[in-house]
Amino acid sequence: EIVLTQSPGTLSLSPGERATLSCRASQSVSSSYLAWYQQKPGQAPRLLIYAASSRATGIPDRFSGSGSGTDFTLTISRLEPEDFAVYYCQQYGNSPWAFGQGTKVEIK
Amino acid sequence: EVQLVESGGGLVQPGGSLRLSCAASGFTFSSYSMNWVRQAPGKGLEWVSYISTSTSTIYYADSVKGRFTISRDNAKNSLYLQMNSLRAEDTALYYCARVGMARSVDHWGQGTLVTVSS
Repeated sequence: EIVLTQSPGTLSLSPGERATLSCRASQSVSSSYLAWYQQKPGQAPRLLIYAASSRATGIPDRFSGSGSGTDFTLTISRLEPEDFAVYYCQQYGNSPWAFGQGTKVEIK
Repeated sequence: EVQLVESGGGLVQPGGSLRLSCAASGFTFSSYSMNWVRQAPGKGLEWVSYISTSTSTIYYADSVKGRFTISRDNAKNSLYLQMNSLRAEDTALYYCARVGMARSVDHWGQGTLVTVSS
């Protein structure tokens, strides 16, 4: 079973700053099957990135994904007020699906 | 517009059963695999179960295997989750979710709340 560990647990930043979120897998994950989601309070998650680096429909280009093997990163180049939320990574493999525990991006 | 609307949640005693439903619209339901994903209050996301377009492939998380059964009716554009032998730890918001590109989840319902308590 693949376990995804996200870090940090909480990221305190100001609007306009750059956010770097990490997702580490307990064993190698196909980059074809690594996704990132955003969830705001009281809302369902929203797909941001699939296949490690492809933006979903309608997602602004300040969101980018990268990585391979066991280490993946979600970067928000300049935080907008609406970006403060919880972010989850997700992989598809032999588990077959698994989510990380989430990273909360909060306003500093 | 893609819409996924869950129903069937509620309060149930430990050991009881519930059947969740998800009504899909705005896309060709029979062409998409589907997931159930849950979220306990204040916690993260947990994948529960997957069903392929033709029901030929079904997966369950270890935490629900043997107790939950996923099914679908493509003629009715509906997804189901039969939940038996419910436990307190099954208390969560249950999301119906469409499987999209690269096995990501590209659309989510708003969820239906299941509370297991005596």
